[in-house]
Amino acid sequence: DAGVIQSPRHEVTEMGQEVTLRCKPISGHNSLFWYRQTMMRGLELLIYFNNNVPIDDSGMPEDRFSAKMPNASFSTLKIQPSEPRDSAVYFCASRLGQAYNEQFFGPGTRLTVL
Amino acid sequence: AQSVTQLGSHVSVSEGALVLLRCNYSSSVPPYLFWYVQYPNQGLQLLLKYTSAATLVKGINGFEAEFKKSETSFHLTKPSAHMSDAAEYFCAVSGGNNRLAFGKGNQVVVIP
Repeated sequence: DAGVIQSPRHEVTEMGQEVTLRCKPISGHNSLFWYRQTMMRGLELLIYFNNNVPIDDSGMPEDRFSAKMPNASFSTLKIQPSEPRDSAVYFCASRLGQAYNEQFFGPGTRLTVL
Repeated sequence: AQSVTQLGSHVSVSEGALVLLRCNYSSSVPPYLFWYVQYPNQGLQLLLKYTSAATLVKGINGFEAEFKKSETSFHLTKPSAHMSDAAEYFCAVSGGNNRLAFGKGNQVVVIP
């Protein structure tokens, strides 16, 4: 299996631009998670989906952030408009089954907003 | 809600010495506990997990952790550090819901 796939790996954009991050989970996994990692705040859960349905988006910082999962093999995290404080590494993870099972992480997207 | 405390953001250990990373958790229900490792410019990888079976859990790369309910701890150990153990280590707790709460992480530096 190819593991969790994220694209792009690096994104540099200017403040005010729209940014879309993409994730392909491991085939057959039914839960998908988006995390943000920064030096100051560590690893934060932004949103997670179960069977393509958003279950908990309480970690989404503000309305500029949105996430979708149109099917079991694809999810996007969009920031519009982007701001310099959004600069971080964004990880997607997927999991099969229950909470005691392992989450498999993608390699991350390093976002820099100038 | 559940949470994890990892003290000491940076941990230095000599090659061949014991690695000990401390993790204390808070959970209102019986927890599931995890240790993940992150190498530079990579995602997180599972080292080991506790899911209410044996309290001493063995993981990959010679690491193990012991669940102690009375101390609300899940400390990670490895008897002999190797240069390849240099990475960041995260403890995480799940209270049975789908949320996984991570600690701040420990950056391990191995001194030759």
